[in-house]
Amino acid sequence: DQQVKQNSPSLSVQEGRISILNCDYTNSMFDYFLWYKKYPAEGPTFLISISSIKDKNEDGRFTVFLNKSAKHLSLHIVPSQPGDSAVYFCAASAQNYGQNFVFGPGTRLSVLP
Amino acid sequence: GAVVSQHPSRVICKSGTSVKIECRSLDFQATTMFWYRQFPKQSLMLMATSNEGSKATYEQGVEKDKFLINHASLTLSTLTVTSAHPEDSSFYICSAREDHYGYTFGSGTRLTVV
Repeated sequence: DQQVKQNSPSLSVQEGRISILNCDYTNSMFDYFLWYKKYPAEGPTFLISISSIKDKNEDGRFTVFLNKSAKHLSLHIVPSQPGDSAVYFCAASAQNYGQNFVFGPGTRLSVLP
Repeated sequence: GAVVSQHPSRVICKSGTSVKIECRSLDFQATTMFWYRQFPKQSLMLMATSNEGSKATYEQGVEKDKFLINHASLTLSTLTVTSAHPEDSSFYICSAREDHYGYTFGSGTRLTVV
C-alpha cells in the first residue's frame, strides 16, 4: 500500500501559468515533507520542505501548502517556466521513523512554451 | 550549499562481476547516508541506511550480501553490487543529510549489467 501518493502521473502547463502538483499521504505520523525535482539520468534536487507545524512555505516561485487534516500537500510553481519541466517527487518522513523518507511515484511536469 | 558527489555516473559491467559506487559529502560530514534505487518510471526506493563506523541498515527485501555498503569515514560511503546480474540494472542514488541544507542527493549512477 502506497503511503505517499501522487495521483497525476503527468501534467502539462503553459509557460507563465501556475503549475499545481498534488501529493496525498496516508500515514498520520508523517510530520516532515519535501519536494524534489528530477531530470532524466540525474539525481533529485531538493526544492522545498515543510514541517507539520506549518501550513505554508514559500521560496521564490515555489510554494508548498500542507493540509494536515486532509493529509494533502501541494506544490505551486508560479510562473511556470520551460526549465521547470521535470519529474517532481514528494517525500514524507516521521521523526519517530528516523530519517527514512517515503517517496511518492512522481509527477512529470511539462511546461509548454 | 551541501554537495554530495557520486561516482561513477554511468557503468556497464558484465554479468557476474562486481561494481563499486562511491558517494562523498564534499563540504560537510555525513554520519548517515542513504542509498536508493530507481527503476524506470518508478519512484525512488530506499535500499539501506549507511551509518559511519557501523553496519548498514537494510530495508526489507534488499539482500545485504549482494549490496554491500561500507561507510568507513564521515565523508564516504560505498555501495558494491556483487555478482551483478541484468536484473540489477538500475539507477542508484545516494543522499546525505546536512544540518543546515537538509537532504542532498548525489547525481546518481546508471548501472547496466550485460
